[in-house]
Amino acid sequence: DIQMTQSPSSLPASLGERVTISCRASQGISNNLNWYQQKPDGTIKPLIYYTSNLQSGVPSRFSGSGSGTDYSLTISSLEPEDFAMYYCQQDASFPRTFGGGTKLELK
Amino acid sequence: EVQLVESGGGLVQPGASLKLSCVASGFTFSDYWMSWVRQTPGKTMEWIGDIKYDGSYTNYAPSLKNRFTISRDNAKSTLYLQMSNVRSEDTATYYCTRWGLGALDYWGQGVMVTVSS
Repeated sequence: DIQMTQSPSSLPASLGERVTISCRASQGISNNLNWYQQKPDGTIKPLIYYTSNLQSGVPSRFSGSGSGTDYSLTISSLEPEDFAMYYCQQDASFPRTFGGGTKLELK
Repeated sequence: EVQLVESGGGLVQPGASLKLSCVASGFTFSDYWMSWVRQTPGKTMEWIGDIKYDGSYTNYAPSLKNRFTISRDNAKSTLYLQMSNVRSEDTATYYCTRWGLGALDYWGQGVMVTVSS
């Protein structure tokens, strides 16, 4: 199985700040990397697919990048609704696996 | 509007069976691959498995394939997860999801399953 390691697990940040969440795969995943956001009420929505493509309706302050084993999600300027959990997920091979999550908290 | 509504969760004893359902609306259910994903109380996300749009193919997490079965009824726009011989480690929130643009593009609100005697 491909292991996905996210860092940090917790990220205190302020409104307007630029933040980056990292996701490292245990082997190359050829950009088959997706990002999801989970709000405190449990609602989950997709943010980015195939490393850098924004899902419909996702604000442009979100961006994704990476290659090989290392990927990242960047939020350019934090808004109040961005404080949530974030998960990466690889699609390169079965079983599909998720990172452990990053909790983005208000500092 | 796309909606995925899960049901069938609750408290179940170890060793018992449970069947979750997910009713889909707002899209042509028979056009899409569907999946189940679960989230443990510790917030770990685990992919359970996929089912092809016509139900002819399924794929499972190796650790679950001997106990969990995914099926669908396209006439009822409903996805199912049959869980057998449940264990305490199956305690989780179970999400019904749709495969869209190269990712899980819609998620249900989740249904809780607690395995305890």
